[in-house]
Amino acid sequence: DSGVTQTPKHLITATGQRVTLRCSPRSGDLSVYWYQQSLDQGLQFLIQYYNGEERAKGNILERFSAQQFPDLHSELNLSSLELGDSALYFCASSAPTAGDTEAFFGQGTRLTVV
Amino acid sequence: AQKVTQAQTEISVVEKEDVTLDCVYETRDTTYYLFWYKQPPSGELVFLIRRNSFDEQNEISGRYSWNFQKSTSSFNFTITASQVVDSAVYFCALSEAGTGRRALTFGSGTRLQVQP
Repeated sequence: DSGVTQTPKHLITATGQRVTLRCSPRSGDLSVYWYQQSLDQGLQFLIQYYNGEERAKGNILERFSAQQFPDLHSELNLSSLELGDSALYFCASSAPTAGDTEAFFGQGTRLTVV
Repeated sequence: AQKVTQAQTEISVVEKEDVTLDCVYETRDTTYYLFWYKQPPSGELVFLIRRNSFDEQNEISGRYSWNFQKSTSSFNFTITASQVVDSAVYFCALSEAGTGRRALTFGSGTRLQVQP
């Protein structure tokens, strides 16, 4: 168990809908990362937050948004969903005491868009 | 831009064989980190190792060993005396070290199947 909690584990929704994925980082970790794993794109970095502030942005679509709350949990919002958004979405967290050099991943949320 | 290449898509070995997973990377950064992660059939990503770009010492952890060669931009992973439980997809990854940006650039992964 990495200590990173993601909910829900599975999500099935229809095209055009909006969903929210939730992530609770390990205790003491200030950085939260979101990654998408799909068959055609592989594992791709979406976005990083550090203590509530956006720190880095990757290949995140405009239909997607994220935020990190004062209690450090994070949410990834996916809207106007398309079939191609079906993927495994991972959250990871890391600690500043370790220079944020080791990211520990949650078990992922498997999103299926039908 | 950073890039990680894992040319081996799938490797199949018989239990107790040694196997090496290759990883080649590209980066313009002078300092960076390299990683290996394991993704078993259950789907989670398990951290295996982190290596700093300025530390080229090879590392051994039980049956696992890693060979970092800056001259060839490679960070290869060897499993000695493989076991069925080693069956998984293994990802090599790279991140910056000079800033607070720690986004991982992953390779496409190598699926290892260890047959009994």
